Amino acid sequence: AQSVTQLDSQVPVFEEAPVELRCNYSSSVSVYLFWYVQYPNQGLQLLLKYLSGSTLVKGINGFEAEFNKSQTSFHLRKPSVHISDTAEYFCAVSRSGSARQLTFGSGTQLTVLP
Amino acid sequence: NAGVTQTPKFQVLKTGQSMTLQCAQDMNHEYMSWYRQDPGMGLRLIHYSVGAGITDQGEVPNGYNVSRSTTEDFPLRLLSAAPSQTSVYFCASSPTFHTPNNEQFFGPGTRLTVL
Repeated sequence: AQSVTQLDSQVPVFEEAPVELRCNYSSSVSVYLFWYVQYPNQGLQLLLKYLSGSTLVKGINGFEAEFNKSQTSFHLRKPSVHISDTAEYFCAVSRSGSARQLTFGSGTQLTVLP
Repeated sequence: NAGVTQTPKFQVLKTGQSMTLQCAQDMNHEYMSWYRQDPGMGLRLIHYSVGAGITDQGEVPNGYNVSRSTTEDFPLRLLSAAPSQTSVYFCASSPTFHTPNNEQFFGPGTRLTVL
């Protein structure tokens, strides 16, 4: 079984500052890793995913994440945030090559302050 | 394409009542699933389906039933609602089961309150 830990439940940051949202996972098998974003009162939208290959993954809206197998981490970063990035962010894992049974972390609320 | 649609958006039930949450997708996706979202717990998988006529349990299936008679629809039934089922419910779908690309497309959610 897989598990996901998002280390920060709330991250406040000022506009145009950099941000890192942390995600660690646990699994005994190879995994796929995902970051989803949920804007207020909306469903989840895929930001980026790691399936294989390059460990640095670029996603939509200027976000990127780096897969670190030795540290079992998949931290999400953005060099300069905007007010519109205020949302909840979920890290998720699935067993590679299997059905789409995602295991989600508990979420990180990113609040961008003016 | 409308994508994944869910109805209703909001629902209030009394303990013991039954109801069906509707989910439909128009992308011809084989895989569909239901999650519940509770504060501080992320999303947890309730039931999923890999195609019409095939369903299976996820992490938290108790108190819920599903069926998949068509590719497009995947309703979630609460047989006898309990306050512990107060949550936000998301339906999701994904393309061909055997494709390793595991991206799921989520509906807008149904906010359910059980009194």
